[in-house]
Amino acid sequence: RKEVEQDPGPFNVPEGATVAFNCTYSNSASQSFFWYRQDCRKEPKLLMSVYSSGNEDGRFTAQLNRASQYISLLIRDSKLSDSATYLCVVNRSFNQAGTALIFGKGTTLSVSS
Amino acid sequence: DAMVIQNPRYQVTQFGKPVTLSCSQTLNHNVMYWYQQKSSQAPKLLFHYYDKDFNNEADTPDNFQSRRPNTSFCFLDIRSPGLGDAAMYLCATSRDRTGNQPQHFGDGTRLSIL
Repeated sequence: RKEVEQDPGPFNVPEGATVAFNCTYSNSASQSFFWYRQDCRKEPKLLMSVYSSGNEDGRFTAQLNRASQYISLLIRDSKLSDSATYLCVVNRSFNQAGTALIFGKGTTLSVSS
Repeated sequence: DAMVIQNPRYQVTQFGKPVTLSCSQTLNHNVMYWYQQKSSQAPKLLFHYYDKDFNNEADTPDNFQSRRPNTSFCFLDIRSPGLGDAAMYLCATSRDRTGNQPQHFGDGTRLSIL
C-alpha cells in the first residue's frame, strides 16, 4: 500500500460547485497533515494544515479522521482560479533523523465557466 | 521576496555530463530538502540536510549527491545524468524536522537531458 493515496481525478466542475477530495495514509504514527496546491509546472505551495478537530479557511475545509487514516479537503463555491493539482501531504518518522513529508500524487481539479 | 531560490530555472545537459543544481534560502531554516518530481507524479524525496547532517533516502540512486556548505546554500549534483533523470527538481526548507512545520519550496529547476 502506498504511503499516501489520492484519487488522481481529474475533477471537472463548473464555477460555483462544491468539490471534495479524499486522501488515505498508511502510517498510523503520522502526526502532521497538510494540503498543498500545485499549479502546472510550478512548485507546490501550502494551502492549509489539517488539524484533528478539522479546520476551515474561507471556502476551504479540511477534515482528519485518524481512526480511518483519512483526510479530506472540501472546496465550496469553486472559482476558475482553483484549477490546480491538490497534493495531500503526511509526515512520517524515519530512523533518528527526524521526519519527512510524504506527498500524494495529487488530485487535479479543473473549474470551468 | 523570494525566500527559497533555485538556479537555474531550466537546465539542459547532455547524457552523462555532470550537472549541479543550486538552492539558496533566506529563511535561516535548519532543514533543506531535495525532491525529484516527474510529470504527473508526486514529489519524491531524494535526501535532506538537518544542519550539516546529511540524510539519504534508501532508494535514492548513487548518481545523486548533495552538498551543503553553509546554512543558506544546498547543491544537488548529478554525476552522470541519464534520460530517466529528466524531471523537475525542487528544493524546500523547513524550520525543523519534526514534520509539524510546512515546507517552503523554491520555483524548481526543470532538467532536460539530450
